[in-house]
Amino acid sequence: EVQLEESGGGLIQPGGSLRLSCAASGFSVNSNYMSWVRQGPGRGLEWVSLIQGGDRTYYADSVKGRFTISRDKSKNTLYLQMNSLRVEDTAMYYCARVLPVDSYFGMDVWGPGTTVTVSS
Amino acid sequence: DIQMTQSPSSLSASVGDRVTITCRASQSISSYLSWYQQKPGKAPKLLIYAASTLQSGVPLRFSGSGSGTDFTLTITTLQPEDFATYYCQQSYSTPITFGQGTRLEIK
Repeated sequence: EVQLEESGGGLIQPGGSLRLSCAASGFSVNSNYMSWVRQGPGRGLEWVSLIQGGDRTYYADSVKGRFTISRDKSKNTLYLQMNSLRVEDTAMYYCARVLPVDSYFGMDVWGPGTTVTVSS
Repeated sequence: DIQMTQSPSSLSASVGDRVTITCRASQSISSYLSWYQQKPGKAPKLLIYAASTLQSGVPLRFSGSGSGTDFTLTITTLQPEDFATYYCQQSYSTPITFGQGTRLEIK
């Protein structure tokens, strides 16, 4: 079965760092485009980052320079390193598999999410 | 950045109704448009990709249409499990952007 499972969320003070993990099963994270999407409390969906084949990466302006997306082929896991965290980064963070270009990049598999709370 | 605007923001309907949600892009996105359903406390679920292609396992009462800047999601014969929030999303260019969501409520 194709699945994603996020972990690593928690309560962190402003300025702190967290690394989120997204373990995949049933497919290879290294062979697919992968993305992180977040949702603040009571808010809509906000795209955070994307990693392409060849490891080219893209970021929302709100996280550029602070967050880093990466993946480990041997562990079949996607990561999001989050530094210099701000109160406005508080959200549920989802990882998602991105369909290939001939499917116009829809996100077809999502994890249940992990909660990040940035507060003093 | 490409702005995605959904309408309406909320909608009340009854079981058995037909509903349509629209999504407008601030510039042409060809068919790089997906629709998602999200229920409270759950991850989004892909319904439609490439503007009109039904994701595997999604009931046939869901359909999508449009290209360029104007898109619609139609649900025929609403079922109790369809009451949720719906989002459109463009993947034509980064930053990927979502609409603000349409909350579909039971009348």
